[in-house]
Amino acid sequence: QKEVEQNSGPLSVPEGAIASLNCTYSDRGSQSFFWYRQYSGKSPELIMSIYSNGDKEDGRFTAQLNKASQYVSLLIRDSQPSDSATYLCAVKRSSASKIIFGSGTRLSIRP
Amino acid sequence: ETGVTQTPRHLVMGMTNKKSLKCEQHLGHNAMYWYKQSAKKPLELMFVYSLEERVENNSVPSRFSPECPNSSHLFLHLHTLQPEDSALYLCASSQAPGGGAGDTQYFGPGTRLTVL
Repeated sequence: QKEVEQNSGPLSVPEGAIASLNCTYSDRGSQSFFWYRQYSGKSPELIMSIYSNGDKEDGRFTAQLNKASQYVSLLIRDSQPSDSATYLCAVKRSSASKIIFGSGTRLSIRP
Repeated sequence: ETGVTQTPRHLVMGMTNKKSLKCEQHLGHNAMYWYKQSAKKPLELMFVYSLEERVENNSVPSRFSPECPNSSHLFLHLHTLQPEDSALYLCASSQAPGGGAGDTQYFGPGTRLTVL
């Protein structure tokens, strides 16, 4: 079992719709959770971080965390073509020195 | 300069060359990281430095040699590389590993390395 699992996609969503990206993790001791966006040929950039159960909203983005189910998701409302990218889920224990990244989900927003 | 910078942005080298990648962070962070990202593969953590001490070394071949002279600078020295080492090499920094917002890693633009 991978430590952080994501569907590789591609996930195709029409412009203006809600894109839903999902991630599961295996380590119950994980405390910090991150979503990064990576455009082709570019470096990852932080979209959201979340540390406690529930929802966290920032503009068109909402991160959702459920530690009991070991599940974290990212919702993108009013999807735009510029949202087309690979989205990386990342997870970390408080005591650890490293973040574990998933393989990423490729999102494509069709006009 | 702001954030995390990396030089060079592109590097082509032969298998017998010696070169170095440089990373500099301007965020006042205490931890720095080297990652390798090959085509269609996930990010692979190579090295972690916290307060200038190496705290993680993920079974990286000895032809990659990191150096962290201070908390703002990180180098990756390369020698006798193989063509399969061609990849995007990313540097990142964070406040310090330990929980909460301090865990957030910020990435540099990367060095695209091609080994002939």
